[in-house]
Amino acid sequence: GNSVTQMEGPVTLSEEAFLTINCTYTATGYPSLFWYVQYPGEGLQLLLKATKADDKGSNKGFEATYRKETTSFHLEKGSVQVSDSAVYFCASSYGNNRLAFGKGNQVVVIP
Amino acid sequence: EAQVTQNPRYLITVTGKKLTVTCSQNMNHEYMSWYRQDPGLGLRQIYYSMNVEVTDKGDVPEGYKVSRKEKRNFPLILESPSPNQTSLYFCASSLQRGVDTQYFGPGTRLTVL
Repeated sequence: GNSVTQMEGPVTLSEEAFLTINCTYTATGYPSLFWYVQYPGEGLQLLLKATKADDKGSNKGFEATYRKETTSFHLEKGSVQVSDSAVYFCASSYGNNRLAFGKGNQVVVIP
Repeated sequence: EAQVTQNPRYLITVTGKKLTVTCSQNMNHEYMSWYRQDPGLGLRQIYYSMNVEVTDKGDVPEGYKVSRKEKRNFPLILESPSPNQTSLYFCASSLQRGVDTQYFGPGTRLTVL
């Protein structure tokens, strides 16, 4: 079945550091891939998405590239800010608009 | 403003006391869904609906019911809540039944004692 794996544990880094959060997926067919962000006390918001292999999604300085050969969709940002502190979820589509979510990564950016 | 609303935002209840969490969207979306979020488990889908009067089980439907009598509303019903249903619940909607961005409500934190 479809599943998404995110790297274990929270991520703590200093302001202006480079952020990478790994995401790999297993799927039948060719899913669309998403990154959602959850700020404290809020629901999830779409951060970016990619619908086919080699597509790059980007938004707010974040990027992720759909890599079919490695079944990955790693999230990157070149210079994080304190306001980027949040929980980040990778997700893969399947079936009728269903999403398989990863477990999420807490990102804490220290001034 | 386009949004998904949920009520209540916080609820503490006791085992066995029936409750309903409401979800409403004002975007004329066909697709709606309920998830629960638990530490270390991410989000898991409870039920989803592709249109009025069309609902289907997600990955963790046991102990829950839903209905979709109108396009905008998709209530989640716990007929006899138990402590293992203590969780953070999110409603989501999207325009189409195909792959499309889902819009999430703010969440309902439920505690069952």
